[in-house]
Amino acid sequence: EPEVTQTPSHQVTQMGQEVILRCVPISNHLYFYWYRQILGQKVEFLVSFYNNEISEKSEIFDDQFSVERPDGSNFTLKIRSTKLEDSAMYFCASSDGEYNEQFFGPGTRLTVL
Amino acid sequence: SQQGEEDPQALSIQEGENATMNCSYKTSINNLQWYRQNSGRGLVHLILIRSNEREKHSGRLRVTLDTSKKSSSLLITASRAADTASYFCATDPVSGNTPLVFGKGTRLSVIA
Repeated sequence: EPEVTQTPSHQVTQMGQEVILRCVPISNHLYFYWYRQILGQKVEFLVSFYNNEISEKSEIFDDQFSVERPDGSNFTLKIRSTKLEDSAMYFCASSDGEYNEQFFGPGTRLTVL
Repeated sequence: SQQGEEDPQALSIQEGENATMNCSYKTSINNLQWYRQNSGRGLVHLILIRSNEREKHSGRLRVTLDTSKKSSSLLITASRAADTASYFCATDPVSGNTPLVFGKGTRLSVIA
């Protein structure tokens, strides 16, 4: 069964460093999302992406964040200068657009020291 | 106001018993989805129920949706220790392919 994959599974970085989180959505899906979950809290929406552009973003998704689909398979989230409060589990999700059924990857646990 | 609030926050049952979790929401929705999350792991999609559906089954899972009460329930029958996880409902506001709004989840513990 097709699934969303994410790499790395765990990333440790120093405050102020740039990180890139990678996702490979399900191959025939057209809508892509990033969410994050701070430990013990709700899953929060960051950004959605369709047709090679951002379709919606939350207030969390400030100028430090960017997304890219560099080729036909990868979907990346970049955080330019990480802060301690960026420590969270980051989930990528994708949907084929029918009923907005979103399938999530296993997540990347980002730890900012 | 918060969408997708689950209750109870925590539920502990014996293996073999049924587990019922509820989700309430405040605005109109296109559909509602339930997810499972094992501790510190990814979100596993369980089931989607559309706003014009009232009940849906998948294996040992039964989901109901009452749009007049803006609520949904997830029933897991004959629970197993492996069902121990957090369960989240996520609502899809009526506008299509929009971000899902998650609740805080119900933490289910199934004791063998």
